[in-house]
Amino acid sequence: RKEVEQDPGPFNVPEGATVAFNCTYSNSASQSFFWYRQDCRKEPKLLMSVYSSGNEDGRFTAQLNRASQYISLLIRDSKLSDSATYLCVVSYTGRRALTFGSGTRLQVQP
Amino acid sequence: NAGVTQTPKFRILKIGQSMTLQCTQDMNHNYMYWYRQDPGMGLKLIYYSVGAGITDKGEVPNGYNVSRSTTEDFPLRLELAAPSQTSVYFCASRVDGTLAVYTFGSGTRLTVV
Repeated sequence: RKEVEQDPGPFNVPEGATVAFNCTYSNSASQSFFWYRQDCRKEPKLLMSVYSSGNEDGRFTAQLNRASQYISLLIRDSKLSDSATYLCVVSYTGRRALTFGSGTRLQVQP
Repeated sequence: NAGVTQTPKFRILKIGQSMTLQCTQDMNHNYMYWYRQDPGMGLKLIYYSVGAGITDKGEVPNGYNVSRSTTEDFPLRLELAAPSQTSVYFCASRVDGTLAVYTFGSGTRLTVV
């Protein structure tokens, strides 16, 4: 079983829709959590960190549920420019590198 | 600042050939990483380095070698290229204590035929 699992999608949504992605992680020695965004054929870039209390950045909301070992990303009022792959990323205690999920692809349609 | 620079951007290799993927950063970051990304998959760690002269294996090191003679440079060497090494290779760096904020290079797209 992969340490970080995501539904690959694609999620096809119309502009203006609200869409949510979940990510489950299997190792309880997890320390920090992040969402990265990757555009087609480009490098990943940090979208936002995920805090236990939940956090927002404009139209994006991230949540963490340590008891159930999952994190989520909610995107409100989707824009065409939100079309990308969203990578769930976990930092594990004692490791010097991040662990990346395979990503969830979002396609926002006009 | 150029950030993280990778060269070449594209390369086609024949089976059995060797090559070096170059990665240079000008941010004085101690930590550097090499990942590969196969189509529709996440990033897999090949090798990483926590400073000049120090390297360590990641999840998928077989068929690769690295060196870190300076803080700036972290080249990845492929010996005896195989079709299974067809992938996109990303180099990344970060400062100490800031785990999340990787700076990635733009990637090298490698095809082995």
